[in-house]
Amino acid sequence: LAKTTQPISMDSYEGQEVNITCSHNNIATNDYITWYQQFPSQGPRFIIQGYKTKVTNEVASLFIPADRKSSTLSLPRVSLSDTAVYYCLVGPGNAGNNRKLIWGLGTSLAVNP
Amino acid sequence: EPEVTQTPSHQVTQMGQEVILRCVPISNHLYFYWYRQILGQKVEFLVSFYNNEISEKSEIFDDQFSVERPDGSNFTLKIRSTKLEDSAMYFCASREGTSGANVLTFGAGSRLTVL
Repeated sequence: LAKTTQPISMDSYEGQEVNITCSHNNIATNDYITWYQQFPSQGPRFIIQGYKTKVTNEVASLFIPADRKSSTLSLPRVSLSDTAVYYCLVGPGNAGNNRKLIWGLGTSLAVNP
Repeated sequence: EPEVTQTPSHQVTQMGQEVILRCVPISNHLYFYWYRQILGQKVEFLVSFYNNEISEKSEIFDDQFSVERPDGSNFTLKIRSTKLEDSAMYFCASREGTSGANVLTFGAGSRLTVL
């Protein structure tokens, strides 16, 4: 099972771009990389998913190098409301269940005024 | 935007009591899940449910836990005899059959406090 490593916490300021990097050295060929956001006392919320290269949606971008051993979630121009815990997960994209997704402690992002 | 709804938002119970947590997944979703998160700790998988049966369960999901989809819309988690260590946030999640396997929609959670 792929294990992920990401910083425990990060600090930023409003308007800055924030990049959170996740290491997943043991990623398997059929694994996808998925990022979730969680606010206190709320359920996790899907942000973005990718397999390789770059994926962009209205919320974030996900950069995945060719070796796929790491990935970087990029949040453009963060605001105070982006203060949350961000989880990087790696697991099979064709799994019928999600047990193989292992949740770490995530990265606690604090956005300051 | 479709939501997964959970009730109750907070339940306080005495040790040894039975608790039922309820979830209404998104209507066209086919896979359903329960996760829990003890305060300050990781999100932990409990069970997945598909085609009216459990598809997989974790070591946490022992005989005191059960799940049911009684009427085609609700998805419930029952804890038969609660213990102090069952105190946690319980999250229900669902996903479409065709979307990525790791793209789940979570509910807001039910906070269970066992005294």
